[in-house]
Amino acid sequence: SQKIEQNSEALNIQEGKTATLTCNYTNYSPAYLQWYRQDPGRGPVFLLLIRENEKEKRKERLKVTFDTTLKQSLFHITASQPADSATYLCALDMSMDSSYKLIFGSGTRLLVRP
Amino acid sequence: EADIYQTPRYLVIGTGKKITLECSQTMGHDKMYWYQQDPGMELHLIHYSYGVNSTEKGDLSSESTVSRIRTEHFPLTLESARPSHTSQYLCASSQGSYQPQHFGDGTRLSIL
Repeated sequence: SQKIEQNSEALNIQEGKTATLTCNYTNYSPAYLQWYRQDPGRGPVFLLLIRENEKEKRKERLKVTFDTTLKQSLFHITASQPADSATYLCALDMSMDSSYKLIFGSGTRLLVRP
Repeated sequence: EADIYQTPRYLVIGTGKKITLECSQTMGHDKMYWYQQDPGMELHLIHYSYGVNSTEKGDLSSESTVSRIRTEHFPLTLESARPSHTSQYLCASSQGSYQPQHFGDGTRLSIL
């Protein structure tokens, strides 16, 4: 079955630096991959979606890459701010069975120090 | 800005009680989902629906049941709550296939 690996250790960086979070998966490459932000006690909020035929996607200070050869997606936040501190979740589609479901990683917690 | 609402936000209740967690969305989405999430862990899909009168079990076995009588409403029911049901339950909806999911803020359930 498909497994998603996100770094369970928190990423602690200085304000203004670029944060890079990693999402690795083990089996088949999904048709698309999504990134969400989750704050404590809240539901996840959608950030970006990237399709298997796209190498890179950008939105303001956010950038996502998708490498189907490495089975990896990288999520970058440039010019990070303390308000970016949150847990970031990677999610893959389950299109193998045409049921349009997502499976989620456990997320990586980002802490941005002022 | 949230268009998907879950009630209650918190519920502490004794073993054996019947519980219904409510989820409503105002976006007209056909697809709706229930996830279970423990602290620091991934979301696990427990139920989903592709439209009215359509419900399916998710990847994580759950003793809960769901119904979808109206497009906007997707309640989850536990007939007899047990301490093992203690968790956070998140509801989500999406416009269609390969679309982002919109989440509610969840119900944190504690069974004593």
